[in-house]
Amino acid sequence: AQTVTQSQPEMSVQEAETVTLSCTYDTSESDYYLFWYKQPPSRQMILVIRQEAYKQQNATENRFSVNFQKAAKSFSLKISDSQLGDAAMYFCAYRSARNAGNMLTFGGGTRLMVKP
Amino acid sequence: AAGVIQSPRHLIKEKRETATLKCYPIPRHDTVYWYQQGPGQDPQFLISFYEKMQSDKGSIPDRFSAQQFSDYHSELNMSSLELGDSALYFCASSLVADALNTEAFFGQGTRLTVV
Repeated sequence: AQTVTQSQPEMSVQEAETVTLSCTYDTSESDYYLFWYKQPPSRQMILVIRQEAYKQQNATENRFSVNFQKAAKSFSLKISDSQLGDAAMYFCAYRSARNAGNMLTFGGGTRLMVKP
Repeated sequence: AAGVIQSPRHLIKEKRETATLKCYPIPRHDTVYWYQQGPGQDPQFLISFYEKMQSDKGSIPDRFSAQQFSDYHSELNMSSLELGDSALYFCASSLVADALNTEAFFGQGTRLTVV
């Protein structure tokens, strides 16, 4: 079974600065997907960014980028130029690519606070 | 663009009652997932359906059942409700047939409170 670990229950960042959220995972599979989801106070789960394990290039979406280290099984999220609207719970998630439609396994989440 | 629709948004039930949660996936999506998120916890996978057949099963209690109908909407039936069932229940959908774009899109959730 796969596990996802987020070691930072809470993080804080000053507005306009950069913050990195950590995520590690454990799997014996070689082909999988990794995701970061954002859950604001509305509780809606919003996809922030995804990474295919077979791709060496780190995914980037505007101010959000990841540092994917496959050998280390590490998948951190960097948020640049932090904005007040970035304040939310962030969940790292794993999905096997073995079968289409596999479930997501989530980490415990990191609460990000953004200070004005 | 159409999103995943869940109903109701909020539900209050008493212990031992039954609840039915509904999920309408994004049009043309063929897979539906149900997750349970307790207070302060990460979402836990319950069950999924692909083309109206159960495709994966997680930590779903025997008191719960689910199905996907011919129009692809899904219902989660919860019987003999317990206080511990109080949680946010998410439905998500994806298009498995599109191998390049299979991320799951989540609904806004149904908040179930058992009193």
